[in-house]
Amino acid sequence: AQSVAQPEDQVKVAEGNPLTVKCTYSVSGNPYLFWYVQYPNRGLQFLLKYITGDNLVKGSYGFEAEFNKSQTSFHLKKPSALVSDSALYFCAVRDTNNAGNMLTFGGGTRLMVKP
Amino acid sequence: KAGVTQTPRYLIKTRGQQVTLSCSPISGHRSVSWYQQTPGQGLQFLFEYFSETQRNKGNFPGRFSGRQFSNSRSEMNVSTLELGDSALYLCASSLYSGANVLTFGAGSRLTVL
Repeated sequence: AQSVAQPEDQVKVAEGNPLTVKCTYSVSGNPYLFWYVQYPNRGLQFLLKYITGDNLVKGSYGFEAEFNKSQTSFHLKKPSALVSDSALYFCAVRDTNNAGNMLTFGGGTRLMVKP
Repeated sequence: KAGVTQTPRYLIKTRGQQVTLSCSPISGHRSVSWYQQTPGQGLQFLFEYFSETQRNKGNFPGRFSGRQFSNSRSEMNVSTLELGDSALYLCASSLYSGANVLTFGAGSRLTVL
């Protein structure tokens, strides 16, 4: 079985400050990990993924995430937040033991960046 | 190039009716996945189709079904609608099954009255 937890429903940061959105996962095999962002009345947009290799993954719009196998975490980070980053962020996992594209998503974290 | 196109974007049905939603993937993409998004349950996987075959199925009742055509376009159908079926239904496509990057459409918002 595969599962994802996003412990914070909401994260508030001031513009220009660093941001972190937390994600932990559980899989029986090895994980493929993803971050997606959703703006109002839109579908999900892909930000970044971890498949293998370097634990620090860089993605779109200045976002990055760090894979930590011992803590089973994949936190999303950005050094300097923008008001336009305000949106709903989803972490997702796929167990490498599972074929296909079946992703399990976390419950989402609403990021609010204040001017 | 055109993105993933879902139709209709919004629809309202009454309990007991059925609904069919359509998804046109990005050109060249052969895998189509469907997800249900609700405030209470979040994003849940419905099913995935690849080369006209169902590849995976989530934990949904048999009222939820889908299919994929030879041009990779996909439809999902929900029969005997219930109030709890009100949701945003998202379609995602990828080059192949297990491609690891899904491109999502804007979704079809279904309201069941």
